[in-house]
Amino acid sequence: QSALTQPPSASGSPGQSVVISCTGTSSDVGYYNYVSWYQQHPGKAPKLMIYEVRKRASGVPDRFSGSKSGNTASLTVSGLQAEDEADYYCSSYAGDHYFVLFGGGTKLTV
Amino acid sequence: EVQLVESGGGLVQPGGSLRLSCAASGFTFSTYWMTWVRQAPGKGLEWVANIKQDGSETYYVDSVKGRFSISRDNAKNSLYLQMNNLRAEDTAMYFCAKPLSTSWDFDYWGQGALVTVSS
Repeated sequence: QSALTQPPSASGSPGQSVVISCTGTSSDVGYYNYVSWYQQHPGKAPKLMIYEVRKRASGVPDRFSGSKSGNTASLTVSGLQAEDEADYYCSSYAGDHYFVLFGGGTKLTV
Repeated sequence: EVQLVESGGGLVQPGGSLRLSCAASGFTFSTYWMTWVRQAPGKGLEWVANIKQDGSETYYVDSVKGRFSISRDNAKNSLYLQMNNLRAEDTAMYFCAKPLSTSWDFDYWGQGALVTVSS
């Protein structure tokens, strides 16, 4: 099972919106509604932002939203702020053998 | 407040062994599956292993099967990862993570334990 595919980088100016994609297969992203997104600042542990495709984790601003279409999930960050600059990773449940697949990560520059 | 604190990382020679520990607090440890996730320097996240609440089921990524063993002690609220026959490609920050009760999304992570495999 391969890792999920994310663009290596994304960027936007403060106040703008950016969309980060995450492409899997019909065996993971396309099959299960268990896609999540994590934010990771340098030297820190990942932080859960979105789970089960579109649910925001506790304390996450509503500027962050998730969606899915077919085998591709997306994270939208609206009203970009400087503190949003970080690495973002998607993940998907992939069944009882592979369990969790992660994407390669996207570096968001604001 | 939920806390996960890893320990036991360090420098080890190829072929050597290391045991990581993760001390959990702030939640009912015995009622959750637990997970180890690793991140090689400058690279992405990789799921490593899962263990069921009572330790009766364990699962591993193919690259560590037969070399790594996940275990837990619910009386001590602790999670472990025994790593044997370590390879250079096992060099990474190892995080213990707690999944949500309803899905394999991880709402709490430790700060990580750095494992470096080098001669």
